[in-house]
Amino acid sequence: GENVEQHPSTLSVQEGDSAVIKCTYSDSASNYFPWYKQELGKRPQLIIDIRSNVGEKKDQRIAVTLNKTAKHFSLHITETQPEDSAVYFCAASSGGGSNYKLTFGKGTLLTVNP
Amino acid sequence: DGGITQSPKYLFRKEGQNVTLSCEQNLNHDAMYWYRQDPGQGLRLIYYSQIVNDFQKGDIAEGYSVSREKKESFPLTVTSAQKNPTAFYLCASSITAVSYEQYFGPGTRLTVT
Repeated sequence: GENVEQHPSTLSVQEGDSAVIKCTYSDSASNYFPWYKQELGKRPQLIIDIRSNVGEKKDQRIAVTLNKTAKHFSLHITETQPEDSAVYFCAASSGGGSNYKLTFGKGTLLTVNP
Repeated sequence: DGGITQSPKYLFRKEGQNVTLSCEQNLNHDAMYWYRQDPGQGLRLIYYSQIVNDFQKGDIAEGYSVSREKKESFPLTVTSAQKNPTAFYLCASSITAVSYEQYFGPGTRLTVT
């Protein structure tokens, strides 16, 4: 089945710096790659996603890049703010038909220091 | 945040007892999912269902069971066969299973002693 590796497990940056979180996946048929943010004590929420026919997608300070050949994708957060502090999860789709599902990485705890 | 609910928020059970966690959605979503979240382990898929009366095992289905008799409901039973049931359980739903955002419920923290 699909295997998603996420690095780093923890990341600490100064406010205003950039943060990059990287994920690799194993299933070359994966075609959907979402990123979720989970603040302490809250539910995960989608912040950005990318499909396999696109190499990069941006939404204000957040961007995701996808390299299908290398089977890796990355989350980029620019001009970080304290409210960006949270756990971030990447995921990759796998399977087809009734077996379609997402496999999540283990998460990255991002701390933005004021 | 509304649309998908889980109850209760905290649940305590004695070892050897089965317990059922509730998940309800009013989003008219076809697909529903159950994940288990442990520190440092990410979100691990327990069971998922793309349509009423059909469901599939996820990566860690042993010791769990589900039913999908209604579109809006997807209860999860943690049986006594689950060796380490204490965890945070998250339910999610999506319009369909394919390439769509999953909306998560607030979660249920189960403690078994």
